[in-house]
Amino acid sequence: GAVVSQHPSWVICKSGTSVKIECRSLDFQATTMFWYRQFPKQSLMLMATSNEGSKATYEQGVEKDKFLINHASLTLSTLTVTSAHPEDSSFYICSASTGIGNQPQHFGDGTRLSIL
Amino acid sequence: RKEVEQDPGPFNVPEGATVAFNCTYSNSASQSFFWYRQDCRKEPKLLMSVYSSGNEDGRFTAQLNRASQYISLLIRDSKLSDSATYLCVVNSWGNQFYFGTGTSLTVIP
Repeated sequence: GAVVSQHPSWVICKSGTSVKIECRSLDFQATTMFWYRQFPKQSLMLMATSNEGSKATYEQGVEKDKFLINHASLTLSTLTVTSAHPEDSSFYICSASTGIGNQPQHFGDGTRLSIL
Repeated sequence: RKEVEQDPGPFNVPEGATVAFNCTYSNSASQSFFWYRQDCRKEPKLLMSVYSSGNEDGRFTAQLNRASQYISLLIRDSKLSDSATYLCVVNSWGNQFYFGTGTSLTVIP
């Protein structure tokens, strides 16, 4: 089956640090990658959708200068949380899709971000 | 109106019970449908796609009703390991995926 790898799985940083999260599709070409955030006991919240080679499309209320997304290849997308603060602490999950027909999204393992 | 609506539950059922979840969607032009399972503090994992003719995978049966715009998931002979949150996902246009809020299931010994 389709495999999506996300790294790191857990990161703890001081306030003000920028944190980069990588999302890789290991065995398929991901035309589109999605970034989600999930707070405890809440639903997934879509942050942005990125198509390879294009600028990401951010959901309303998500600051594009705060959450920098790069999708430079068909197998890699990165999310950088710039100058992270404690309120940015959350579970960040990426997913990838081939964008072909009725293919589902496949999720990475998620990154648990804790900002002290 | 939300694109996808799901009863959040929680559903608490005894082992061996049969339980069903429904999910309604608003866009009649929706193309594809999926059920995902999410365990606590983990990422969602694809459980099964939902096909027009209905499909079954072991104890799990998924059905699609386009006329009424809903999808369902039936779990037979519930196991303790089935305890999780079940998410329905609808794909409307290309790469637009809409998630339900999830239905929480706890299977009790």
